[in-house]
Amino acid sequence: GQNIDQPTEMTATEGAIVQINCTYQTSGFNGLFWYQQHAGEAPTFLSYNVLDGLEEKGRFSSFLSRSKGYSYLLLKELQMKDSASYLCAVADSNYQLIWGAGTKLIIKP
Amino acid sequence: NAGVTQTPKFRVLKTGQSMTLLCAQDMNHEYMYWYRQDPGMGLRLIHYSVGEGTTAKGEVPDGYNVSRLKKQNFLLGLESAAPSQTSVYFCAGRGPSDTGELFFGEGSRLTVL
Repeated sequence: GQNIDQPTEMTATEGAIVQINCTYQTSGFNGLFWYQQHAGEAPTFLSYNVLDGLEEKGRFSSFLSRSKGYSYLLLKELQMKDSASYLCAVADSNYQLIWGAGTKLIIKP
Repeated sequence: NAGVTQTPKFRVLKTGQSMTLLCAQDMNHEYMYWYRQDPGMGLRLIHYSVGEGTTAKGEVPDGYNVSRLKKQNFLLGLESAAPSQTSVYFCAGRGPSDTGELFFGEGSRLTVL
């Protein structure tokens, strides 16, 4: 079966760094996405990785290892507005997205 | 530029009633999707469309129907609502970028009593 695993909840301190992990098992791989979703709102696109390595975009970076079926989202210089759920999704062989349940990130002052 | 717009935003139904959710987009998306989001679960694909006049079943299509008569509109219908269909529904269009990122509507919260 197809499966995406990510931690249910994480807590971090304002100004710190946090790493959210995602492991996947899918039938085929055509890229991995990270989305941010604030409570009561729609998901918004953060990053896309299709090749191994690190993609940096401002305070956010995303890493992919296809051989390990593993990705992480790294958030630096955490701000209170980063409190949200972070969704990991993988595009399978048919380019359909398989979604993880999301990681709720709580930022404390 | 409105993007992807869903109506209604909230709706309460009684078991057995029918309703239609409308998704309208002005971003020229070919691909459009209807998802449902339930607590503790990932987004689950209900139906999708790869272009005007074409639709296909997703992971959880039972109890739902869709139509894409015009490219800009993607309708999701519930023929006979059940409490198990209480959920938040999201419509999304797939962008033209190389990443294929999705652009989501604001969501429609449906409660079936």
